[in-house]
Amino acid sequence: AQSVTQLGSHVSVSEGALVLLRCNYSSSVPPYLFWYVQYPNQGLQLLLKYTTGATLVKGINGFEAEFKKSETSFHLTKPSAHMSDAAEYFCAVIRSGGYQKVTFGTGTKLQVIP
Amino acid sequence: EAQVTQNPRYLITVTGKKLTVTCSQNMNHEYMSWYRQDPGLGLRQIYYSMNVEVTDKGDVPEGYKVSRKEKRNFPLILESPSPNQTSLYFCASSSQDRIKQYFGPGTRLTVT
Repeated sequence: AQSVTQLGSHVSVSEGALVLLRCNYSSSVPPYLFWYVQYPNQGLQLLLKYTTGATLVKGINGFEAEFKKSETSFHLTKPSAHMSDAAEYFCAVIRSGGYQKVTFGTGTKLQVIP
Repeated sequence: EAQVTQNPRYLITVTGKKLTVTCSQNMNHEYMSWYRQDPGLGLRQIYYSMNVEVTDKGDVPEGYKVSRKEKRNFPLILESPSPNQTSLYFCASSSQDRIKQYFGPGTRLTVT
C-alpha cells in the first residue's frame, strides 16, 4: 500500500519569503512522486515530478523539491513567494513500474500575504 | 491543443436519477482515471483504466461505474446518485508511464 501525508492544510507566508510545503510518503517499492498545483476553479497542473536520477528536481514557476529516501520526504520549496503562488498544492505518489493507482495527499492551501 | 474535456461542467440532480459524466482526451493516452475532490480529503481515485476494456477500482469506487469502449472516452456513471456523491469530479489521462497526468476542468455535481 502507498500513502501520502501533507503536513499543514493551510500555510501562510509573506510575499518574498521562503515557501516550504511538506510531503511524506510511504511506499513498499521505489515511488514516483509529484507535486500538482490547483488554482481557484481550475483543474490540477503538474508542477514537478521525481521518477529516477537526480533527487533535486526543478519545476515550473521557480519551485523545486528534493526526494529524500531516508526521510521518505518530498518537500516543495520556493525561495521567494509571489502573490501568484496562492493556490492549493497536492503531493502524489505512484508505484514505479506496472499499472497502479495514484494516491494524492489532502492538499495544502498556500496564502501569500502582501 | 492537448486537452481533456468533461461534460457537463455543472450538474444539479436529485437522488436516484441516473447520470453520466463524459470525459474525452485527444492525446491518444492509454491511461485514464476519475477522481473526486472533497474539502479536507484531497483527491481520491474512483476508477482507472489502463487501456480499452481494462478498468480497475481506485480507493472509492462504491456507487460508481465506468466503461472504456474507446481509447479516447472514459465516462463516469452514477446509476443511483445519493447526496454523499455531491463533489467535484476530475477526469485525467496520461501515457502508459503515468508520469504526467493531464486533468480536465472538473465537473461540480450536486445531488439533492
